[in-house]
Amino acid sequence: QTVVTQEPSFSVSPGGTVTLTCGLSSGSVSTNYFPSWHQQTPGQAPRTLIYNTNTRSSGVPDRFSGSILGNKAALTIAGAQADDESDYYCVLYMGSGSWVFGGGTKLTVL
Amino acid sequence: EVQLVESGGGLVQPGGSLRLSCAASGFTFSTYAMSWVRQAPGKGLKWVSSISGSGGRTFYADSVKGRFSISRDNSKNTLYLQMNSLRADDTAVYFCARLEGFRAIDYWGQGTLVTVSS
Repeated sequence: QTVVTQEPSFSVSPGGTVTLTCGLSSGSVSTNYFPSWHQQTPGQAPRTLIYNTNTRSSGVPDRFSGSILGNKAALTIAGAQADDESDYYCVLYMGSGSWVFGGGTKLTVL
Repeated sequence: EVQLVESGGGLVQPGGSLRLSCAASGFTFSTYAMSWVRQAPGKGLKWVSSISGSGGRTFYADSVKGRFSISRDNSKNTLYLQMNSLRADDTAVYFCARLEGFRAIDYWGQGTLVTVSS
């Protein structure tokens, strides 16, 4: 069974830059997995930040960027702000109309 | 503006059934594949099911295969999820989501809570 891996938690200072990653328990993440990133604060619906590796969703500021770094997908947040404190989920397309989400990264800004 | 509004959640007994709806607006519904994603209390997101724009292709997670059925009515811009033989571990907030190119989620609804309990 394919497992999508994410850091359980991460901390960043206000104004700092942080890179969250999304990997596979077996193999490498490539653009063929169409990685996307979604932000969720407690009690709210997720919000898409990035899809298709590096396409920003409408209204998402350009301090959020997506890429492939080595064998993982990556979400970089530059100039971190207090309201970036959220859970961040990556999801990979596995083919045959199915997707697998990572367990999420809880980002703390302090 | 893309809007997805789910409804139909509620409390149901184990073994019962429920049908969720997702009303879509702000885009040409029939040209987009759609998905259902769920989130159990305090847990992460899990993909449940997807359907092509025409409705001709459907896909399910193993955990719901044979119990859940996804469908759509493009004349009503509405997505559905028929849930049968519900179990306690189906308790979750269910989100509908739009798929870009049948490869990535690009918009989410606000979710509807399904609670399976006696």
